[in-house]
Amino acid sequence: AQKVTQAQTEISVVEKEDVTLDCVYETRDTTYYLFWYKQPPSGELVFLIRRNSFDEQNEISGRYSWNFQKSTSSFNFTITASQVVDSAVYFCALSPLGTYKYIFGTGTRLKVLA
Amino acid sequence: DADVTQTPRNRITKTGKRIMLECSQTKGHDRMYWYRQDPGLGLRLIYYSFDVKDINKGEISDGYSVSRQAQAKFSLSLESAIPNQTALYFCATGGSLGWEETQYFGPGTRLLVL
Repeated sequence: AQKVTQAQTEISVVEKEDVTLDCVYETRDTTYYLFWYKQPPSGELVFLIRRNSFDEQNEISGRYSWNFQKSTSSFNFTITASQVVDSAVYFCALSPLGTYKYIFGTGTRLKVLA
Repeated sequence: DADVTQTPRNRITKTGKRIMLECSQTKGHDRMYWYRQDPGLGLRLIYYSFDVKDINKGEISDGYSVSRQAQAKFSLSLESAIPNQTALYFCATGGSLGWEETQYFGPGTRLLVL
């Protein structure tokens, strides 16, 4: 079975705090892609990052960083020095290579308070 | 201009009415998708199309039908709308760059069935 679990339904932090959003996945496929998308209050889905299963190098983009660990089937997302504009629902997704279909987690709502 | 557009952006309809949601893209992608988003359930795949002649059911296709009129156009129809089809609907396109695969989403259509 293929599944993506985002156990944190909602997180609230105060501005400038660091926050980590968890994503755990299940798949029997050996090659797959992992994604994070952001859904701000306006409702659109914004692509943030794609990671291949054969590349476990962590990635940093400004205040955003992603920690991919195959050993624990996790692809966690950290926002450093959070800002109010980071308030959104964040989705993690899995796509086994060649299927071209995504399995989405249920999302984590992040509220950053001023 | 947006690469993936959806019309209408908001729609209120009554039980039993037929309704069509339209999606157009200028990204030149072959793959197109329709999802629905419900609170707490994430995004679920309704239908997907890998090219104009290839249309497939997703995990929740009952009550829906689709038409791929051209590479750039993919429409979703609710033949007889019911209240539990009230949701946020997203169209997405899928493109590949080498080994990579990313889906890009339209702005969404909010549908309310009374």
